[in-house]
Amino acid sequence: QKEVEQNSGPLSVPEGAIASLNCTYSDRGSQSFFWYRQYSGKSPELIMFIYSNGDKEDGRFTAQLNKASQYVSLLIRDSQPSDSATYLCAVVNYGGSQGNLIFGKGTKLSVKP
Amino acid sequence: EAQVTQNPRYLITVTGKKLTVTCSQNMNHEYMSWYRQDPGLGLRQIYYSMNVEVTDKGDVPEGYKVSRKEKRNFPLILESPSPNQTSLYFCASSLGRAKFFGPGTRLTVL
Repeated sequence: QKEVEQNSGPLSVPEGAIASLNCTYSDRGSQSFFWYRQYSGKSPELIMFIYSNGDKEDGRFTAQLNKASQYVSLLIRDSQPSDSATYLCAVVNYGGSQGNLIFGKGTKLSVKP
Repeated sequence: EAQVTQNPRYLITVTGKKLTVTCSQNMNHEYMSWYRQDPGLGLRQIYYSMNVEVTDKGDVPEGYKVSRKEKRNFPLILESPSPNQTSLYFCASSLGRAKFFGPGTRLTVL
């Protein structure tokens, strides 16, 4: 069973701090990695994707991928209360079609003013 | 506006009464899929479609049917709903490997 694991949280950080969200995956052949944000009662919203080892930055968000360790993370700099949400890590496995995106169960982030 | 729409958004029904949840996208995406989301279980894929007339099972297909007769539409059919299908359902369409989700349908089966 190919799995994507996340700490369910809640992760609580003060406003202005860096929030670090982590994800591990079991399929060493996984190719594509995504981070979605989901506000309570709303649909998941894509915020970052990363395909290659290393860091990818987009505004306050940085995705980090380490394929050797099968580890992907999301850093949120200068966290704001509006960042409070559940963050879902998702992976496309090797040979998987575009339809076959495996999601973790999500980490709930709370940013305290 | 580029979007994925679902109807109905909320539905309460009874065991055994056939229902259809519609999904439509206006982005000309080839890939569409259905997920259910349950507390503690996360998002699980029910079915997906790589193009018109091409559908395949996801991780939890039992009790569901789909069809893809047109590129823009991908309805989810529950022929005989049961209480364990009470869930939050999301339709998604894909551009490349990135998925765009509809607003969700909260289904309760009594």
